[in-house]
Amino acid sequence: DARVTQTPRHKVTEMGQEVTMRCQPILGHNTVFWYRQTMMQGLELLAYFRNRAPLDDSGMPKDRFSAEMPDATLATLKIQPSEPRDSAVYFCASGLVPLLQKETQYFGPGTRLLVL
Amino acid sequence: TQLLEQSPQFLSIQEGENLTVYCNSSSVFSSLQWYRQEPGEGPVLLVTVVTGGEVKKLKRLTFQFGDARKDSSLHITAAQPGDTGLYLCAGAISGGSNYKLTFGKGTLLTVNP
Repeated sequence: DARVTQTPRHKVTEMGQEVTMRCQPILGHNTVFWYRQTMMQGLELLAYFRNRAPLDDSGMPKDRFSAEMPDATLATLKIQPSEPRDSAVYFCASGLVPLLQKETQYFGPGTRLLVL
Repeated sequence: TQLLEQSPQFLSIQEGENLTVYCNSSSVFSSLQWYRQEPGEGPVLLVTVVTGGEVKKLKRLTFQFGDARKDSSLHITAAQPGDTGLYLCAGAISGGSNYKLTFGKGTLLTVNP
């Protein structure tokens, strides 16, 4: 049963520290998305990649956030330095394109981040 | 920015009741998806609707896409405690090689036994 995996599942850190979240997309999927979910804003798209190339990162604060795909099996989202307002659940999702109109995104279980 | 408004935000009902949740926007979407999210998990896709006026049924769940492809509804018949969760709608904008979803904030449904 193929799944998107994310590590760590939970992270508590202090303001100013670097946070790295990792995602392993489903093997064979060519598109990876990073989302952030909060009670106030809901689920927001931060960035996404197609065939490891960044296509859109307009939803991401550029000064402190960065997203990369070092290889097809690993996507990373880094926050440096972290701030309390970054506290949220971060989801990675993967999918296969084309089949644009019926594309299914498979979400990982999320990383719950708390910045003190 | 395309916004999706979901209503109601919270819904608490008794087992066996029927309910409808709504997803509205001023934007036209190429497709619309409904997800269910359980605590501590990521959203799971329930259905994708593509054609204006389309109706899809998934057991006790009925999904409808508005004629103008700006809104959608989810109707649950004879709700069960297992239906409890956060229901999210997401509109897709696709063009060229780009494809991304805009999510509503969700309807948190609680079905009491």
